[in-house]
Amino acid sequence: GAVVSQHPSRVICKSGTSVKIECRSLDFQATTMFWYRQFPKQSLMLMATSNEGSKATYEQGVEKDKFLINHASLTLSTLTVTSAHPEDSSFYICSARDRGASSTDTQYFGPGTRLTVL
Amino acid sequence: QKEVEQNSGPLSVPEGAIASLNCTYSDRGSQSFFWYRQYSGKSPELIMSIYSNGDKEDGRFTAQLNKASQYVSLLIRDSQPSDSATYLCALRGSSASKIIFGSGTRLSIRP
Repeated sequence: GAVVSQHPSRVICKSGTSVKIECRSLDFQATTMFWYRQFPKQSLMLMATSNEGSKATYEQGVEKDKFLINHASLTLSTLTVTSAHPEDSSFYICSARDRGASSTDTQYFGPGTRLTVL
Repeated sequence: QKEVEQNSGPLSVPEGAIASLNCTYSDRGSQSFFWYRQYSGKSPELIMSIYSNGDKEDGRFTAQLNKASQYVSLLIRDSQPSDSATYLCALRGSSASKIIFGSGTRLSIRP
């Protein structure tokens, strides 16, 4: 099956710093990537949808100036948490839609990034 | 009303028995339905997708969809301890390209 990687898998940073998380589709081209956030014992909440070469679409309540998304190529999307605060500590997961898949529902998840802001 | 509702559990099932997980949804126009399994600290993995009314079987897993009742379920036969995880029901709504997740049901298979 298709593989999506995320880097780093875990990051601890000080309050006020910025953190960049990378999401890569390793063996397929992803026209669309999704960024989710999951707090403990809660479900995945979609933060934004990014399409290659265009601006990301953010969900209601998600600050686009705080969570910067760049989808510069068909295999890479990045999420930058700017001026991170302890309340941003969460599990961030990306998923990618396979451009070549027969079904547009085919979406693959990365392994996630655990962010802890001190 | 939440778009996707699941009982949070935990649902405890003896090993070898059938585990039944249920999900209801509010958007009648939803067309695509999914079950994901998520182990603690890991990202979700797709188990089943179902698009039409009725049953869909894949190994020990059977997904059931009833659009009239706005209900989708997942049956796990011959439950194993390795099936212990949180199961997320998800759907693609009628007007959006995004997938919406339920809050998940925690399943525990006791030996």
